[in-house]
Amino acid sequence: AQSVTQLGSHVSVSEGALVLLRCNYSSSVPPYLFWYVQYPNQGLQLLLKYTSAATLVKGINGFEAEFKKSETSFHLTKPSAHMSDAAEYFCAVRVDTGRRALTFGSGTRLQVQP
Amino acid sequence: EAQVTQNPRYLITVTGKKLTVTCSQNMNHEYMSWYRQDPGLGLRQIYYSMNVEVTDKGDVPEGYKVSRKEKRNFPLILESPSPNQTSLYFCASSSSGGTSTDTQYFGPGTRLTVL
Repeated sequence: AQSVTQLGSHVSVSEGALVLLRCNYSSSVPPYLFWYVQYPNQGLQLLLKYTSAATLVKGINGFEAEFKKSETSFHLTKPSAHMSDAAEYFCAVRVDTGRRALTFGSGTRLQVQP
Repeated sequence: EAQVTQNPRYLITVTGKKLTVTCSQNMNHEYMSWYRQDPGLGLRQIYYSMNVEVTDKGDVPEGYKVSRKEKRNFPLILESPSPNQTSLYFCASSSSGGTSTDTQYFGPGTRLTVL
């Protein structure tokens, strides 16, 4: 069975600083990996997804993530944090089964300080 | 606008009083799913449906029922709610596409409190 671990339930950065949110996965078969963002009182919005085409994936709002098979990681980064990036971020994995369930990490709440 | 809608957005009820949370999508998606979100646990799948009249259990189906009579609707039914079903519920949908990278689109969530 697959699983996802997000290191750090809360991350605080200054506006303009690098954002790094960590995600490690466990899967016995090639995974499909996703990052979702949840703004307060809203549903989840897809930031980016890894589809095995390219290891460096670019998403919306300036975010990107790099798939590293040797480290079983899919960390999310953004060079310069914006106040509007404050939200909760979820890493998720899915393997190629009919159920198509996304297995989510427990989430990381990003706080951006002015 | 392509979207997944859920109703109600907030619900407070009492133990044992049957309730239904509706979910509707306007994207003609075959696949629909329900998740619950609990602090520190992320989201966990409750039930899913691959198409009309085809439903199956997810990771945490106990205490829930679903139906898929129409392609656009996928209601979640709690026949006898209990306090441990207090949670934030999300409906999601995606096209069948035949690939595992189909993006799942999420509704805005329903916050349920069972007293």
